Amino acid sequence: EAEVAQSPRYKITEKSQAVAFWCDPISGHATLYWYRQILGQGPELLVQFQDESVVDDSQLPKDRFSAERLKGVDSTLKIQPAELGDSAMYLCASSIRTSVSTDTQYFGPGTRLTVL
Amino acid sequence: GENVEQHPSTLSVQEGDSAVIKCTYSDSASNYFPWYKQELGKGPQLIIDIRSNVGEKKDQRIAVTLNKTAKHFSLHITETQPEDSAVYFCAARPNTGGFKTIFGAGTRLFVKA
Repeated sequence: EAEVAQSPRYKITEKSQAVAFWCDPISGHATLYWYRQILGQGPELLVQFQDESVVDDSQLPKDRFSAERLKGVDSTLKIQPAELGDSAMYLCASSIRTSVSTDTQYFGPGTRLTVL
Repeated sequence: GENVEQHPSTLSVQEGDSAVIKCTYSDSASNYFPWYKQELGKGPQLIIDIRSNVGEKKDQRIAVTLNKTAKHFSLHITETQPEDSAVYFCAARPNTGGFKTIFGAGTRLFVKA
């Protein structure tokens, strides 16, 4: 069964450092999502891509966060500089298309970020 | 925008009993309601979903009901087993705008053997 891949699984960094997370969606999935999940809460959307274009980045803190999906396949989420409040699970998800609201999203295992 | 509330936050049941988790949503344009199970250290896994043209859906021990008038939907797990212990999230997605999925805060289910 195809899965969403993410790396690294765990990342510990000091505040003010730069970190980057990678995601490879299920093959053929045009839509890719990055979510942030704070401990004890549900996932919150940071950015959504349709192919290589950003569809929604309204909740992305653009002063420190950036995301790209240059070839419309895999994606990178970067934080620079990291702050203590960025400690969370960063989840990537993908779906076949975004033009249908009932499209199923499949999640990867996530990257657990700890900022010291 | 959409807001999803989920209750209870914690649920403890005896093995073999049923578990019910309830969610409410605010946006009448929402027409897709997935449920996810998240085990410790893993990403959420879809366990069942329901679309607004259906009132109930069942998959073995799991069922979901939807009341569009009241904007309520619920997850029912029968004959619970210890491996059902996890955090469960409901979600709602409106069929407008960017189809942004909004998640509830989660329910931590403990099934005691």
